[in-house]
Amino acid sequence: EPEVTQTPSHQVTQMGQEVILRCVPISNHLYFYWYRQILGQKVEFLVSFYNNEISEKSEIFDDQFSVERPDGSNFTLKIRSTKLEDSAMYFCASSIGTGSEKLFFGSGTQLSVL
Amino acid sequence: GNSVTQMEGPVTLSEEAFLTINCTYTATGYPSLFWYVQYPGEGLQLLLKATKADDKGSNKGFEATYRKETTSFHLEKGSVQVSDSAVYFCALRDQAGTALIFGKGTTLSVSS
Repeated sequence: EPEVTQTPSHQVTQMGQEVILRCVPISNHLYFYWYRQILGQKVEFLVSFYNNEISEKSEIFDDQFSVERPDGSNFTLKIRSTKLEDSAMYFCASSIGTGSEKLFFGSGTQLSVL
Repeated sequence: GNSVTQMEGPVTLSEEAFLTINCTYTATGYPSLFWYVQYPGEGLQLLLKATKADDKGSNKGFEATYRKETTSFHLEKGSVQVSDSAVYFCALRDQAGTALIFGKGTTLSVSS
């Protein structure tokens, strides 16, 4: 089965630093997503992206966050100035469509902000 | 707004026991409902889904029925195996939306 790949698997950064999390969605998928899971808590929706623009975002996705599809294959999440509370597992996902269409998730990037 | 409530875990069972994980939802309109599973060290994988009232999703011996009257989508399996040990997430998505909204997840541990 095709896979969504995420790099790196672990990232450690200092508070206030910028981080970029990278994802390669499945090649024929049209919708791309970022989710996060703080340890012991639920998986939370951050943002969805379609046709080179944000389709939907949650209240978590504030001005510190941005997404980009720079080259037609990668999909990135940037956090401009990390805070301690940004420490979480970040999952990228992609899908062919919306509604009842299945999301394919990557294995996640564990971000630790010190 | 839309939300999903799952029973708290962990759920600890012996092999071949019957499993139920309760899930209820709040949504406007007619969402699609999903169960995703997360095995240790891996990303989330779709286990099953249902797109309209009274639909039953099933996969790998797991089943869940979309009950609109009780706004529920409970996950069941008649005989669990050690390999079913994982975290199970109930989720919903509006037909018109893109965001998949998850419950908190229920950890299942099956011992032999």
